Amino acid sequence: EPEVTQTPSHQVTQMGQEVILRCVPISNHLYFYWYRQILGQKVEFLVSFYNNEISEKSEIFDDQFSVERPDGSNFTLKIRSTKLEDSAMYFCASSEPPLAGYNEQFFGPGTRLTVL
Amino acid sequence: AQSVTQLGSHVSVSEGALVLLRCNYSSSVPPYLFWYVQYPNQGLQLLLKYTTGATLVKGINGFEAEFKKSETSFHLTKPSAHMSDAAEYFCAVSDPESGQNFVFGPGTRLSVLP
Repeated sequence: EPEVTQTPSHQVTQMGQEVILRCVPISNHLYFYWYRQILGQKVEFLVSFYNNEISEKSEIFDDQFSVERPDGSNFTLKIRSTKLEDSAMYFCASSEPPLAGYNEQFFGPGTRLTVL
Repeated sequence: AQSVTQLGSHVSVSEGALVLLRCNYSSSVPPYLFWYVQYPNQGLQLLLKYTTGATLVKGINGFEAEFKKSETSFHLTKPSAHMSDAAEYFCAVSDPESGQNFVFGPGTRLSVLP
């Protein structure tokens, strides 16, 4: 069964460093998403991406964040200068184009980012 | 704007007892509704979803949920809890017009006692 994969599973970085979180969506999916879950808190939407551009983003997704689909398979989230409060689990998701407004999003296992 | 509330951040039940996890939403239009489960140190797994049609939906692992428009609720139930059901459960809504990003509830941690 096709699944979304994410690497690495755990990333430890120093404050101020750049990190890139990688995701491989399901191959025939066209919509891609990033969510964040701070430890003990709810899952929060960050950004959605379609047709090589951001289609929607939340207020969390500030200038420190960027997304890219560098090739036909990967979808990345870059944090330019990490802060302590960026420590969280980051989930990637993908979906087919919405049919009648519905799209089932398939989530990856997450990358745990720890900023020291 | 949509929002989701889950009454009870932590619910404990005995093995074999009824599981009831509450979810209420706020939305200008009836949204699409989802329940996800997160086992320790794992990602999000879809339990069940409601989009259109029958308001009682059945999911995996014996869970089901009923969409009640008048109550703006989508409570999750399971007749008999199993130890393996211990996990974090998230209710989520999606705007049917845009169909894009989800809004998640704060989650309910389910503990199953022997």
